[in-house]
Amino acid sequence: QSVLTQPPSVSGAPGQKVTISCTGSSSNIGAGYDVHWYQQLPGTAPKLLIFGNSNRPSGVPDRFSGSKSGTSASLAITGLQAEDEADYYCQSYDSSSGGVFGTGTKVTVL
Amino acid sequence: QVQLVESGGGVVQPGRSLRLSCAASGFTFSNYGMHWVRQAPGKGLEWVAATSYDGDNKYYADSVKGRFTISRDNSKNTLYVQMNSLRAEDTAVYYCAKGSLPWGGGHSYCFDYWGQGTLVTVSS
Repeated sequence: QSVLTQPPSVSGAPGQKVTISCTGSSSNIGAGYDVHWYQQLPGTAPKLLIFGNSNRPSGVPDRFSGSKSGTSASLAITGLQAEDEADYYCQSYDSSSGGVFGTGTKVTVL
Repeated sequence: QVQLVESGGGVVQPGRSLRLSCAASGFTFSNYGMHWVRQAPGKGLEWVAATSYDGDNKYYADSVKGRFTISRDNSKNTLYVQMNSLRAEDTAVYYCAKGSLPWGGGHSYCFDYWGQGTLVTVSS
């Protein structure tokens, strides 16, 4: 029962751009809490990809970018590469539920 | 470099208890909130519990409130979760995650480092 909603899947050809949405509400994203994004490669632990809505940790390629507006946020991957095939999760804080994750999106590189 | 190593997972019968541990290194453990996050087989991530940097404040997901207890020993750089009255739906890989802030709740923390996870299977 995730409180943040993501599309189950998105796909794109190598080199294309894909965007993943994360929709929340007035008790989480809309309340001003930051949104963070994680990449989970098959069989591995999640890895922080974007923090504080739009900031990349050291080592994360600038092909990945994040934004936030109102009660939603987005993760964009430009110049899609085969190695980007993974599950992606948004995360924020909810005043009622605590730490909350999105439902997750599987990115497929065609 | 930051390392988080979970242990204590295994197969347990419904209604029984299990304690997971997470040994931390590579950062000042006593300065940060720490969290447990779980992932059921084939499912998404679920935040489970958090503790503030000093262990004084603890937070739980509704799904585990009253059954799980998070704790930490800053002298041993170790995080724990005591899981009681386990149910089949608690079956998951449990990850230990370092919070980006000292607090475990009320703020926009992220999970900047994760352990490799330990599998808990609740089955008769």
